[in-house]
Amino acid sequence: GQQLNQSPQSMFIQEGEDVSMNCTSSSIFNTWLWYKQDPGEGPVLLIALYKAGELTSNGRLTAQFGITRKDSFLNISASIPSDVGIYFCAGLGSRLTFGEGTQLTVNP
Amino acid sequence: NAGVTQTPKFQVLKTGQSMTLQCAQDMNHNSMYWYRQDPGMGLRLIYYSASEGTTDKGEVPNGYNVSRLNKREFSLRLESAAPSQTSVYFCASSPGILLGGGYTFGSGTRLTVV
Repeated sequence: GQQLNQSPQSMFIQEGEDVSMNCTSSSIFNTWLWYKQDPGEGPVLLIALYKAGELTSNGRLTAQFGITRKDSFLNISASIPSDVGIYFCAGLGSRLTFGEGTQLTVNP
Repeated sequence: NAGVTQTPKFQVLKTGQSMTLQCAQDMNHNSMYWYRQDPGMGLRLIYYSASEGTTDKGEVPNGYNVSRLNKREFSLRLESAAPSQTSVYFCASSPGILLGGGYTFGSGTRLTVV
């Protein structure tokens, strides 16, 4: 089946630093999505990307849909403590497939 | 609006017991999904219902059954629970099966099988 490789698995950063994470796949996706999960909650959509090459921002978050349609990255600028959580990429082909997640810890 | 509501939030079962996880959405979405989340493995699709009256297997359907009771409700049943089914279960809904940006998730059911 379709698999997504998300990296890094975890990140420990200082408040104010920028963060970058990415996902790669052996399959082509029509849509790339980035979600954030807070402890004890379900994932919440951050950014949706619908076109190869698309670069989309949502506040301090920027995500790109790779030209090959097999990868995507998410950047968070000037991190703050509330950015803590698990970030998931997801690719939509015949169904939505999730990456393994990146656990982000932000030290004040 | 409540969005997607899951019950119960926590459950402990003994091996071999059965139970049903309930999910309801109030967004008039056509499609609903059940995922399980295990450490380091992301979310894996168990079953989904593209529209009322249809259900299909996802990536990890063994040991589970589902019922799309009506447009609002989609339940997940464990007939004979096993320790390997210890996980966090999430229900989600979307306007349509291919509208990935429209997924809304519930807050999860934490299930432990002892």
